[in-house]
Amino acid sequence: DAKTTQPNSMESNEEEPVHLPCNHSTISGTDYIHWYRQLPSQGPEYVIHGLTSNVNNRMASLAIAEDRKSSTLILHRATLRDAAVYYCILRRNTGFQKLVFGTGTRLLVSP
Amino acid sequence: GAVVSQHPSWVICKSGTSVKIECRSLDFQATTMFWYRQFPKQSLMLMATSNEGSKATYEQGVEKDKFLINHASLTLSTLTVTSAHPEDSSFYICSASLGQATNEKLFFGSGTQLSVL
Repeated sequence: DAKTTQPNSMESNEEEPVHLPCNHSTISGTDYIHWYRQLPSQGPEYVIHGLTSNVNNRMASLAIAEDRKSSTLILHRATLRDAAVYYCILRRNTGFQKLVFGTGTRLLVSP
Repeated sequence: GAVVSQHPSWVICKSGTSVKIECRSLDFQATTMFWYRQFPKQSLMLMATSNEGSKATYEQGVEKDKFLINHASLTLSTLTVTSAHPEDSSFYICSASLGQATNEKLFFGSGTQLSVL
C-alpha cells in the first residue's frame, strides 16, 4: 500500500486558516488522494479528494503538488468543530480499492 | 448524501459470547463494504473487505473464524465477533462506497464500541 506521511499534530486558533500537509512520494499515476477526518468517538467522514488538479468544496480545499508527491488540505477558517484527526490516504486501483489509514494529524483548535 | 447506518452503537458482553454488528447502506447499494477496528488513540486498521454474495477478503493477521463477515444483500453486511474475549474490546467501524472506482468516496458508519468483560 502506498504510504503517506503526516505530522502527528498541529495547532490552530479559531477563525484562522489551517494548512495540513501530507507527503506521498510513492504515489502512482492512478492513485487518488483522499482526505477524511474523524471526530472523537465517531466514524470518519469524507472531506475531499483529488487526482491532479486542486479541488474546492464547502468543507475545504485540496492543493496537489505538480509532481503529486505531496498535497495540502486547507481549512480556510478553522472552527472548534474542526478539531479532529485528519487522514490523508491514497486510494489505489488494486484490491477492491480499499482505504488503508495512516496515523493522521490531530488538529487542535483553540478559541 | 449517502448514509451508512451501524448498529448497535455500543455493546457490553461477557467473555465467551458472540456479538453481531450490523452495517446498512440506507439509500444506496453497496457491492463492497469494509470493516475496520480501532484501539484507543490509534488509527483505523482494516480488517476485511466484504463482498455481496461472496466470501469476505481478510487482511493479513485477521482471524476469519473469529470475525465472521456476511454480506447477504447489497445494503447489509454483518460482522460477528465469535467467542469474544477482553482483547477484542475495540471500536469497530464499517464503510461503503457508491462504486468501486478509486475516485469514489467512502461513507462510514458511526462505529460500535465493544466492551468484553
